[in-house]
Parts: sequence; C-alpha cells; structure tokens
Amino acid sequence: KAGVTQTPRYLIKTRGQQVTLSCSPISGHRSVSWYQQTPGQGLQFLFEYFSETQRNKGNFPGRFSGRQFSNSRSEMNVSTLELGDSALYLCASSIGQNNEKLFFGSGTQLSVL
Amino acid sequence: AQSVTQLGSHVSVSEGALVLLRCNYSSSVPPYLFWYVQYPNQGLQLLLKYTSAATLVKGINGFEAEFKKSETSFHLTKPSAHMSDAAEYFCAVSDAGGTSYGKLTFGQGTILTVHP
Repeated sequence: KAGVTQTPRYLIKTRGQQVTLSCSPISGHRSVSWYQQTPGQGLQFLFEYFSETQRNKGNFPGRFSGRQFSNSRSEMNVSTLELGDSALYLCASSIGQNNEKLFFGSGTQLSVL
Repeated sequence: AQSVTQLGSHVSVSEGALVLLRCNYSSSVPPYLFWYVQYPNQGLQLLLKYTSAATLVKGINGFEAEFKKSETSFHLTKPSAHMSDAAEYFCAVSDAGGTSYGKLTFGQGTILTVHP
C-alpha cells in the first residue's frame, strides 16, 4: 500500500504570496490532519478533515485554511505569507475513527523569503 | 487541556547501551499516549501506542514504553541501542474517547545520538 504522499516536497515563496499544499492519504483512509513543524514551536495541529468536513481546528489564524475532496485528498492553503510561516508542513491520514494511529507523509518544506 | 513534557532535548548513548527517553503528560481526561520517531528529512513514524489495554506497550524496532498513571509518565526504553536508532523522538497525547479527531499534542522532541 502506498503511503501518504505530499506535494511539492520543497517550496520557496516570498512574503505576501499565497501557497497551496497537497496531500494524498493512504488508500481507504478518510481522515486527513495537518501539522506545522518549526524548530521553535515544535509540532502544532492545524486542522483535521473527514468526509470533506472539518471536524477539528487548531489555534492558527484564518490565513490558514484547508479542504478535502470526495476522494479524501486534501489541500491546505496559506494566504498572505509571513516569514514565520516557514516550516515543515506534515499531513497525516487515518481511517477516521477517533484517537487511532496517524500515518504521516514526508512533509512539504516551505521557505518564505 | 493536555500537554507533554519530554525531559532532555538531547540524549547520547553508546551502541549497545540502554536507551531511556522520558515523557510526562498532563491530561484532564483519560489519555491515549504515543511515541513517534522522525528521521532526517522524513515524516513521523509511529513506534507504539498506549490505549489503556496494558500498561506495558511493545512497539517496533525493540522499543517499549510503560504507562504509569501515578507518575503521569510514559517513558520509552530499548535495552540495547543500535546506530540506526539515531533520530528524533516525540511523545504525544490525545484524549481517549473524546472528540480530538486527528489532534495530537506533541512534546518538544528528544534527539537521540548513538555513539559507536
């Protein structure tokens, strides 16, 4: 079974731009979660989607948004990029029941210049 | 609210020595606890998970962890370190039976170095 796939692997943007990251979950997984990882703040939960609905949201500004498609693939969008948005963005998938194992992708490394 | 504290941001051991990575948690509800490992330039891989079935949890690659409610701890151990164990390890907590959907609260991580 293929794992969680995130594209692109690396991304360089400038302040003020917007960016869209993509995540394809493991086949059969209906839940997709997003995390931001930085050296200073560590791993922080962004949001979770299940069957195209956001079920949970972390404490991030409205510039961070996401969506999930009918095939369970997910995208997250960051608008008006700031230098502090530079981070590794990790996507994780699971079957969709609560508190089960999360399977993580390798992440998208975003650099904001 | 939940939180995780990993004691020691860096741990160094010799190959063949005991590995002990410490994790203490805080949770107002019964927790589920996890240990993940992250190799450079990769995502997180689940080592093991505690879900209240047994206090001693065995995971992959020879790792195990013991849930101690009285000490609010979930320390990770491995009897004999291997060079391939060098990585960053994260302890995480979520609430059991709640509505945390996809949300894990992670500790700050412990970088394990293994010397030959």
